[in-house]
Amino acid sequence: LAKITQPISMDSYEGQEVNITCSHNNIATNDYITWYQQFPSQGPRFIIQGYKTKVTNEVASLFIPADRKSSTLSLPRVSLSDTAVYYCLVGGGQNFVFGPGTRLSVLP
Amino acid sequence: ETGVTQTPRHLVMGMTNKKSLKCEQHLGHNAMYWYKQSAKKPLELMFVYSLEERVENNSVPSRFSPECPNSSHLFLHLHTLQPEDSALYLCASSQERPAGYGYLGEQYFGPGTRLTVT
Repeated sequence: LAKITQPISMDSYEGQEVNITCSHNNIATNDYITWYQQFPSQGPRFIIQGYKTKVTNEVASLFIPADRKSSTLSLPRVSLSDTAVYYCLVGGGQNFVFGPGTRLSVLP
Repeated sequence: ETGVTQTPRHLVMGMTNKKSLKCEQHLGHNAMYWYKQSAKKPLELMFVYSLEERVENNSVPSRFSPECPNSSHLFLHLHTLQPEDSALYLCASSQERPAGYGYLGEQYFGPGTRLTVT
């Protein structure tokens, strides 16, 4: 299973773009990279998933370099409601592991 | 609403009690999961039932016992727990492909059961 590291916390201001990086040096060939968002007293919620290069949806972008040993979640123009913990998940099938999570605080 | 419900939402139990947590998914998924989330710790995967097969997790103490009677319901039976077992227990479901694919389906999480062991 991949060993995952993420920054413990990040601060940002409303309207800014936020990039959260996840390191997964021993990612396996078949592993996917997924990001989840969690608010207090709720279960995590899926944000985006990718395998390589770039993936974009209506809320975020995911950048994965060619070696796939890291990935970056990009949140455009964050708002106060984006204050949450963001988890990187690496793996596939029944073999996967969550990272420690990054606590993002968005300030007015 | 994510389509995954958990009951009870809060549970306080003594170390000698026996209780069960219940999870139900209304999404037609074929995989269900139990997670433990403690303060200041990452999500810990406890058990997986995928394509009607249980994936063993030898690191989980035997005082936690899962049961999956069908693809929509999942239980976690608790007995003789310890205070360090106090945590948020989350259930999730996803739609998985047969073994051999690396793909990992989007997991839908329930709101969790906040368990306190006294």
